[in-house]
Amino acid sequence: GAGVSQSPSNKVTEKGKDVELRCDPISGHTALYWYRQSLGQGLEFLIYFQGNSAPDKSGLPSDRFSAERTGGSVSTLTIQRTQQEDSAVYLCASSDITPETQYFGPGTRLLVL
Amino acid sequence: KQEVTQIPAALSVPEGENLVLNCSFTDSAIYNLQWFRQDPGKGLTSLLLIQSSQREQTSGRLNASLDKSSGRSTLYIAASQPGDSATYLCAVSGDYKLSFGAGTTVTVRA
Repeated sequence: GAGVSQSPSNKVTEKGKDVELRCDPISGHTALYWYRQSLGQGLEFLIYFQGNSAPDKSGLPSDRFSAERTGGSVSTLTIQRTQQEDSAVYLCASSDITPETQYFGPGTRLLVL
Repeated sequence: KQEVTQIPAALSVPEGENLVLNCSFTDSAIYNLQWFRQDPGKGLTSLLLIQSSQREQTSGRLNASLDKSSGRSTLYIAASQPGDSATYLCAVSGDYKLSFGAGTTVTVRA
């Protein structure tokens, strides 16, 4: 079946602009995760959604970052007033049971100029 | 806070040699450990997941062991091939968040 998909695959933006990154999880997966992979920090957890429960936002680096998950499926990660240090690969993953194998999408490569 | 370390950071071997990749973690209270493969410019592909109650998992040429008490896991790749060239990441889960190591970049020379 279809895996996790993310869009756009690449995004170049100017400092100060807002960006939206989209994730479509594997159909039927109730858990959805966002991670960030940057050169200096490696792979780090950002946010976790599980069903209708309140999301765990403990990994979001600042209040410029927010995420939502509509209808228990698609998720959008929004970065407001982007900074150059936000440049990274943003990875989305989903799983059908928590904790279990997480399946990752191809990522969105964000470059803030 | 869980710290995950992978040694070595890079490894280059001739084709046919067996690969041994090491992962260590500081907090033994984990639910599971996952090994991933990442190709340049790509996302992560799950290779093996070991539950905390298990000692090892095998898939084809891949075998991963877990010693929770000592905070160690080892990924063995038998009879390496050039197509095995990639970065291998180890990740541990204490609840649902994955804590990742920095990865081992493997090059298999033909």
